[in-house]
Amino acid sequence: DGGITQSPKYLFRKEGQNVTLSCEQNLNHDAMYWYRQDPGQGLRLIYYSQIVNDFQKGDIAEGYSVSREKKESFPLTVTSAQKNPTAFYLCASSITGGSIYGYTFGSGTRLTVV
Amino acid sequence: ELKVEQNPLFLSMQEGKNYTIYCNYSTTSDRLYWYRQDPGKSLESLFVLLSNGAVKQEGRLMASLDTKARLSTLHITAAVHDLSATYFCAVASYSGGGADGLTFGKGTHLIIQP
Repeated sequence: DGGITQSPKYLFRKEGQNVTLSCEQNLNHDAMYWYRQDPGQGLRLIYYSQIVNDFQKGDIAEGYSVSREKKESFPLTVTSAQKNPTAFYLCASSITGGSIYGYTFGSGTRLTVV
Repeated sequence: ELKVEQNPLFLSMQEGKNYTIYCNYSTTSDRLYWYRQDPGKSLESLFVLLSNGAVKQEGRLMASLDTKARLSTLHITAAVHDLSATYFCAVASYSGGGADGLTFGKGTHLIIQP
């Protein structure tokens, strides 16, 4: 079945440590996105990519980095510069050019600073 | 900057009652999405609204879009306990011919009591 796989489901980070969240899709979607959700809040866009080897900053990109070396993969690194990384992270994908079919979301990674 | 406002943010209602969630957005867009989120889970797509006057219904939920008023509504008819969840509206933003991602409202936390 086609879909988006995020791993790990839970991740614990020590202060000053970089961690990488994985996002893989087999939907043949060109566009991929990373969102952050804080408790009781909506989702905020961190980074997005509409094509391989290209990506753009979203609303809250500071302290995060991404790469898009393959169409299927869009990993997110939470760097030590992100001062408050504890949140629920969701990856999504869509057909390029906007999507009349909507956006497909992964199951999420819950990141906690310990 | 695109802003999306939902109201109410919290709603407690009894089974069998009707209610409407409102979603206002600040700039022109013709693509609006409604999602459902259960606690600790990812987003489930409910409706994709693509044009002015669009109306879609699924079971006890009906969504509509008025692009001139920049308003979407999610109407719940004869609510049942299983509809308890958080509901998000999201609006697509664009630049350069590709979708830039979604801007989300803060969500409406809906509790339906027997």
